[in-house]
Amino acid sequence: DGGITQSPKYLFRKEGQNVTLSCEQNLNHDAMYWYRQDPGQGLRLIYYSQIVNDFQKGDIAEGYSVSREKKESFPLTVTSAQKNPTAFYLCASSSPGGTGELFFGEGSRLTVL
Amino acid sequence: DQQVKQNSPSLSVQEGRISILNCDYTNSMFDYFLWYKKYPAEGPTFLISISSIKDKNEDGRFTVFLNKSAKHLSLHIVPSQPGDSAVYFCAAREDGNKLVFGAGTILRVKS
Repeated sequence: DGGITQSPKYLFRKEGQNVTLSCEQNLNHDAMYWYRQDPGQGLRLIYYSQIVNDFQKGDIAEGYSVSREKKESFPLTVTSAQKNPTAFYLCASSSPGGTGELFFGEGSRLTVL
Repeated sequence: DQQVKQNSPSLSVQEGRISILNCDYTNSMFDYFLWYKKYPAEGPTFLISISSIKDKNEDGRFTVFLNKSAKHLSLHIVPSQPGDSAVYFCAAREDGNKLVFGAGTILRVKS
């Protein structure tokens, strides 16, 4: 089945540690995105990538890093510089044009202890 | 500054009645508007969209209305079913296929 796979679904991290969230898609989409969901704040854009080897900062990129070495993969690293990393992270992808519909993965819940 | 606002954090509706979820936006350059539905601990799923040049789009029980002059859109669900209970996000597309999301409205459909 075509779709987006995020892993792990749940992750615990100690303060000061970096952690990488995986996102893989087999939809052959060019664009991929990382959003963060916090209660009462909707989804906020962290980083996005329109093509391989290129990515741009979203609205809340500080403390995060990404790479886009392959079309299918867009991993997100939450660094120790991110002040409030506990959140639900969502990866999405889209094809160009159309209505702008994003296809989302199941999400990853990161908790910093 | 929030470009997409959903001012009602929650809505409770009786099964079989109409649910109306509202959304306001500030950026007149948005060209598409979308509604997503989300269950806890899952990713959002696409429901319905509307182009900025239309004022209505219908898909089964779901209808989205767009009032450009008021920068307002709404999602109507008729009839509402218990399985519709979820968080509903309004989103608007800006340049580069990026979506800007509202804060969401929790819909509870009571049986």
